[in-house]
Amino acid sequence: QQQVKQSPQSLIVQKGGISIINCAYENTAFDYFPWYQQFPGKGPALLIAIRPDVSEKKEGRFTISFNKSAKQFSLHIMDSQPGDSATYFCAATGTASKLTFGTGTRLQVTL
Amino acid sequence: NAGVMQNPRHLVRRRGQEARLRCSPVKGHSHVYWYRQLPEEGLKFMVYLQKENIIDESGMPKERFSAEFPKEGPSILRIQQVVRGDSAAYFCASSLTGPGTYNEQFFGPGTRLTVL
Repeated sequence: QQQVKQSPQSLIVQKGGISIINCAYENTAFDYFPWYQQFPGKGPALLIAIRPDVSEKKEGRFTISFNKSAKQFSLHIMDSQPGDSATYFCAATGTASKLTFGTGTRLQVTL
Repeated sequence: NAGVMQNPRHLVRRRGQEARLRCSPVKGHSHVYWYRQLPEEGLKFMVYLQKENIIDESGMPKERFSAEFPKEGPSILRIQQVVRGDSAAYFCASSLTGPGTYNEQFFGPGTRLTVL
């Protein structure tokens, strides 16, 4: 049973545009929601994370928006750059520590 | 200042052989996680270990797969009698502490297993 649903599967954005990736979860025990960035042939790297006691977290060009009542959260990449082209995974975890990942979004930023 | 190290990076096995994947966590980290990534899919949790203990193996297939994290040395993920469906990227992650408070999991570069 997939507990974290992620969309879209792929995304093409022009340089300077906004990239938006959405995730929804089912398990109300989740209390930590990280986003990971993965380049081809590499392991995932933590990009930004949020806890459900805040509705938004911003770090540079990356923002997480969180809607606890809807059990949804999203990643916004402002001023998208070609170097942002990668696969992005949302994830969720609770006190058990193991991460439950979404299926990933392949982002391509074009010139 | 080494991160998580995994070896080998690429492993080719024929059906029926054994695969041994090794993971050395970040220095000072005593919590290790293994995840499997099938082509075009997200990562799936397999097992969580602390030194000499398996804490959560709820994601491990019931047969042929085993994991250990000995007192000394790297964590090992062992797959016996591999089948083509085992072909995937296997990622190891480590964290400083475990359940109760969330600590960032640092991922290694992965081992890409191909079963012929």
